[in-house]
Amino acid sequence: KNQVEQSPQSLIILEGKNCTLQCNYTVSPFSNLRWYKQDTGRGPVSLTIMTFSENTKSNGRYTATLDADTKQSSLHITASQLSDSASYICVVSAIKAAGNKLTFGGGTRVLVKP
Amino acid sequence: EPEVTQTPSHQVTQMGQEVILRCVPISNHLYFYWYRQILGQKVEFLVSFYNNEISEKSEIFDDQFSVERPDGSNFTLKIRSTKLEDSAMYFCASGQYSGNTIYFGEGSWLTVV
Repeated sequence: KNQVEQSPQSLIILEGKNCTLQCNYTVSPFSNLRWYKQDTGRGPVSLTIMTFSENTKSNGRYTATLDADTKQSSLHITASQLSDSASYICVVSAIKAAGNKLTFGGGTRVLVKP
Repeated sequence: EPEVTQTPSHQVTQMGQEVILRCVPISNHLYFYWYRQILGQKVEFLVSFYNNEISEKSEIFDDQFSVERPDGSNFTLKIRSTKLEDSAMYFCASGQYSGNTIYFGEGSWLTVV
């Protein structure tokens, strides 16, 4: 069964500090891995998308890594800001003939404190 | 920037009533999706739609659910006879190509009482 597990479930960091979120997956056949940011009560917003051949991708202060061999990914947030407070969701896509079937992780809830 | 729009943003309905959630995907997108998120839980796949037909659906998407693309712009999710457990945030999403970024709408919050 395709699964995506994220850790930690939640974390609190001080403004300006860095943090790293983890994602392990068992989705097969693998197509790509995405990180989304979801503010409470809002729709998920894409941060990065990585295919099998990509090891790292950055989007501003967000840097995602992918190890397709160990089926692990991480999202690193640099110099956190108060606006980074949100849930960060790892989403893995399986190869399908028509369209993506995304498997969502449970998310890591990040709270940035001043 | 183009975006996926959903209506209504909130709806309260009585158990057993029919509900239609509406979505306007991004105009040049070809792949359309509905997801739902029960409060405090992870986002769950419901259905994908391509080339005017369902390409995949989850076990959640039973006979009570249906989707339609009645014209060139709207994409709707109908729940025929709502149950209490249908209370959730329903997200519409669209993508241009199969492996590309999927863009989510802001969601329709459905409460069944």
